[in-house]
Amino acid sequence: EIVLTQSPGTLSLSPGERATLSCRASQSVVSSYLAWYQQKPGQAPRLLIYGASSRATGIPDRFSASGSGTDFTLTISRLEPEDFAVYYCQQYGSSQFTFGPGTKVDIK
Amino acid sequence: QLQLQESGPGLVKPSDTLSLTCTVSGGSITSSDYYWGWIRQPPGKGLEWIGSIHYGGTTYHNPSLKSRVTISVDTSKNQFSLRLRSVTAADTAVFYCARQMVRGILRYYFDYWGQGTLVTVSS
Repeated sequence: EIVLTQSPGTLSLSPGERATLSCRASQSVVSSYLAWYQQKPGQAPRLLIYGASSRATGIPDRFSASGSGTDFTLTISRLEPEDFAVYYCQQYGSSQFTFGPGTKVDIK
Repeated sequence: QLQLQESGPGLVKPSDTLSLTCTVSGGSITSSDYYWGWIRQPPGKGLEWIGSIHYGGTTYHNPSLKSRVTISVDTSKNQFSLRLRSVTAADTAVFYCARQMVRGILRYYFDYWGQGTLVTVSS
């Protein structure tokens, strides 16, 4: 099983600032099978990024992502008030999905 | 617009079987481009994939839960279902159903989710 680790656990930033979230895998991940989700309290996760760097439908371009192998990054260029949430990375490999533990982006 | 809706009991007794159904509307469950998955989230914790099913009946599961999980599909009702046997308090979670993309170079992600349903295991 591929284990995903996300850092930091919590990121405290102000609106307008840049957020950089990391997702590290215990072994190499197929980039085409790496996704990022946003989850707000009481809501289902929302797909942000698939294929490591492709934005899902309706996702603003302030969200970008990159990476390959074992290191992946989600960047929010300028935080809007609605971006404060928990972000999860997810990978598929060896016939199973795993999620990272999440990074909480909260208001400083 | 595709919508998924989970339904089932919100309270299950320890050692019993948890049963949930996901009803898909606004689209057909019978597409080869997708599988249909179950994901759970214990209160205050992260996401855990439980398993997925194709409309033809092919399934695969999280190895950590495989011996207790059955996922089935009813194409006539545009639904798929989850049964989790021998539950304990550790199985208390919000359960989500979701559509899983399996076609194309970029795949294996969940693009539509139900709102989730909380299932509590308690006597």
